[in-house]
Amino acid sequence: NAGVTQTPKFRILKIGQSMTLQCAQDMNHNYMYWYRQDPGMGLKLIYYSVGAGITDKGEVPNGYNVSRSTTEDFPLRLELAAPSQTSVYFCASSQGIGYEQYFGPGTRLTVT
Amino acid sequence: DAKTTQPTSMDCAEGRAANLPCNHSTISGNEYVYWYRQIHSQGPQYIIHGLKNNETNEMASLIITEDRKSSTLILPHATLRDTAVYYCIVLYSGGYQKVTFGTGTKLQVIP
Repeated sequence: NAGVTQTPKFRILKIGQSMTLQCAQDMNHNYMYWYRQDPGMGLKLIYYSVGAGITDKGEVPNGYNVSRSTTEDFPLRLELAAPSQTSVYFCASSQGIGYEQYFGPGTRLTVT
Repeated sequence: DAKTTQPTSMDCAEGRAANLPCNHSTISGNEYVYWYRQIHSQGPQYIIHGLKNNETNEMASLIITEDRKSSTLILPHATLRDTAVYYCIVLYSGGYQKVTFGTGTKLQVIP
């Protein structure tokens, strides 16, 4: 199993540009999550999904959108990128309630 | 969700046991204690979790006090590769699983 994969690893965006961060898992997990981590800080939950077609907001959803059309994929969309979105983005998945989360390697995004 | 309090940083000599405390005084009866760690810029890694009994796996031991208001993660023989930020998290066992990561404890293992 590849586990949780994320692409790209690095990206530089100009202010106002848009992009999609890709996340995929091959463990047939129902739950998937997107976090952001600013320098020296803990992780903050952006969005999560409990299954295909079901998503919900986390702690810091503004400026982001998600979709979950399949069990495997959970892309995160940034519209109109802003410098405040400069961060490392982690995707995670879990089997369900009470199970541990598996994290991807992260995407380092810089908005200038 | 219950909040957790952890020391900002700790040092441990290589080969010695690392004991990382966590306070979760507002934990409720159906909330688990989870521990994750994050090694320099990598994605967090699950270590162990428990409800009220002490737990042990190949990575660590988790000691939860009888009143469940605090816990200690024990790395029995710390190595340099255990240098990381350790997060203590409390999770509700029912409903949607929202996870809140604080700033954790930065453990530095010293040769």
